[in-house]
Amino acid sequence: SQTIHQWPATLVQPVGSPLSLECTVEGTSNPNLYWYRQAAGRGLQLLFYSVGIGQISSEVPQNLSASRPQDRQFILSSKKLLLSDSGFYLCAWKPESSYNSPLHFGNGTRLTVT
Amino acid sequence: QKEVEQNSGPLSVPEGAIASLNCTYSDRGSQSFFWYRQYSGKSPELIMSIYSNGDKEDGRFTAQLNKASQYVSLLIRDSQPSDSATYLCAVNQVPNSGYSTLTFGKGTMLLVSP
Repeated sequence: SQTIHQWPATLVQPVGSPLSLECTVEGTSNPNLYWYRQAAGRGLQLLFYSVGIGQISSEVPQNLSASRPQDRQFILSSKKLLLSDSGFYLCAWKPESSYNSPLHFGNGTRLTVT
Repeated sequence: QKEVEQNSGPLSVPEGAIASLNCTYSDRGSQSFFWYRQYSGKSPELIMSIYSNGDKEDGRFTAQLNKASQYVSLLIRDSQPSDSATYLCAVNQVPNSGYSTLTFGKGTMLLVSP
């Protein structure tokens, strides 16, 4: 069966520091991968999605970036964090070429920027 | 901007009652619709998928879809205190890239009192 791992679970970082969140999926090949952010009291906002290695689409311009160095690895990064980057970051996946399939989420990373 | 709208709640129901959660969406081209449950501090968990007009039942949950009215609902029968959570409606969207993503509503908080 497929599983998705996200780490770390929680993170407290000062403003201006870098960020790297990692997500991996097991048990499937060439999944579609997604990064969402959920700010306090707000809905899930799609940040990035990827349909293959090196293929990244950005939905919201900001100081975050994403990379997919391997088939089942998705990384969210920032060079300098802002206070507004605080939130609950969720990685999700769905099978390749499955237009109508739901997303399956990892356990999330709660980021607090101080 | 394609939108998914939900009442934020909270919706309060007594134990054993039927809880009714509603969602409207703006993109007439959407083909797949999902309900996720999110407990406080946790990631969203898929509970129902629906693709065709009408009702779909799974245990105590029934999803209803009306594409003409652009309306999706979730009924929870015999509500239990463990059903207390935020329920997210999600609708698939096709951005310019042609790959499907999910747009989420902000969620409705359900409180079931013993």
